[in-house]
Amino acid sequence: AQKVTQAQTEISVVEKEDVTLDCVYETRDTTYYLFWYKQPPSGELVFLIRRNSFDEQNEISGRYSWNFQKSTSSFNFTITASQVVDSAVYFCALLNYGGATNKLIFGTGTLLAVQP
Amino acid sequence: EAGVTQFPSHSVIEKGQTVTLRCDPISGHDNLYWYRRVMGKEIKFLLHFVKESKQDESGMPNNRFLAERTGGTYSTLKVQPAELEDSGVYFCASSQARGLATDTQYFGPGTRLTVL
Repeated sequence: AQKVTQAQTEISVVEKEDVTLDCVYETRDTTYYLFWYKQPPSGELVFLIRRNSFDEQNEISGRYSWNFQKSTSSFNFTITASQVVDSAVYFCALLNYGGATNKLIFGTGTLLAVQP
Repeated sequence: EAGVTQFPSHSVIEKGQTVTLRCDPISGHDNLYWYRRVMGKEIKFLLHFVKESKQDESGMPNNRFLAERTGGTYSTLKVQPAELEDSGVYFCASSQARGLATDTQYFGPGTRLTVL
């Protein structure tokens, strides 16, 4: 079975705090891709990152960083020094390589509220 | 470059009526996807077009849903007749080339459908 679990439904932090959004995935495939999308109040899903299953290096992009650990099937997302503009729903997603379609399997999302 | 656009942004209809949602993908993108998010749940795949052909429609809920992509450009998703459980946000996404799992899907802002 393929599944993505985002156990944190809502997180509230105060501006400048660091926050980590958890993502745990299940798949039997050895080749797969993981994604994070951000959904701000305006509604569109904004692509943030994709990683393939063979690349476990952590990635940093500005205040954003991602920790991919195959041993625990996790792909966590950390925002450092959070800002009010980071308030959004964040979705983690899984894509299995090699099928006829590239459908994304999403988690239920984590609502992040950053208070000023 | 224009992103994925969807119309309307919001639709409120009564049970039994018909609604047609439209998606314009990013220009030149062969792949077009429809997803749906029911309140508080995960975003779920509905179907995938490659140009004008349906590659995978395994996520379509039932035969009240009809998707088309005539000419391989924009796509429409018709719900007829609409039921209460069809309420949710319908997202459209597009990606460039067929068969590339690394090909990122770019999402539109969604259409919020409310069936009363």
